[in-house]
Amino acid sequence: DGGITQSPKYLFRKEGQNVTLSCEQNLNHDAMYWYRQDPGQGLRLIYYSQIVNDFQKGDIAEGYSVSREKKESFPLTVTSAQKNPTAFYLCASTPGLAGGQDTGELFFGEGSRLTVL
Amino acid sequence: KQEVTQIPAALSVPEGENLVLNCSFTDSAIYNLQWFRQDPGKGLTSLLLIQSSQREQTSGRLNASLDKSSGRSTLYIAASQPGDSATYLCAVRNNQGGKLIFGQGTELSVKP
Repeated sequence: DGGITQSPKYLFRKEGQNVTLSCEQNLNHDAMYWYRQDPGQGLRLIYYSQIVNDFQKGDIAEGYSVSREKKESFPLTVTSAQKNPTAFYLCASTPGLAGGQDTGELFFGEGSRLTVL
Repeated sequence: KQEVTQIPAALSVPEGENLVLNCSFTDSAIYNLQWFRQDPGKGLTSLLLIQSSQREQTSGRLNASLDKSSGRSTLYIAASQPGDSATYLCAVRNNQGGKLIFGQGTELSVKP
């Protein structure tokens, strides 16, 4: 089945450690996104990528890094510089401009919950 | 700067009621608007997507309307069921390729 796979579902990190969250999609979408969700704050955009080998900062990029070496993969690294990393992280994708006709409909993975101990 | 608001933050109704969830946005020059459902601890599931040129979209018991001039969208759920209990979020995209701006959601509880 086509979709977006995030792993791990749950992750625990000690302070000072970097962790990487995986996001893989087999929808052949060009654009991919990372959001952070905190109770009472809605979804906030961390990074997004419109095409392979290119990405842009979102609203809360500090303390995070990404790469987009393959169309289907958009991993997010939460670095030790992120002050409050405990949150629910959501990856999403959309066909994107490079794919021709783009309805703009966004599809999400099941999320990864990161807890800092 | 586009802002999206959803009121109320929480809603509880008895099973079988028809209900309306509200979404308002400050900048009427939008590209599209999308409604999502989120179950606890899960990702978001797309329910309906309305392009800026459309007035409404329907899927089963769900109907979403869009009034750009007033900056509002409504999600109508007919004959609500306990399985409809979830958080409903709306999100607005200002231009093609642009990012989505999310509201904070309405938590719906349908009591049997």
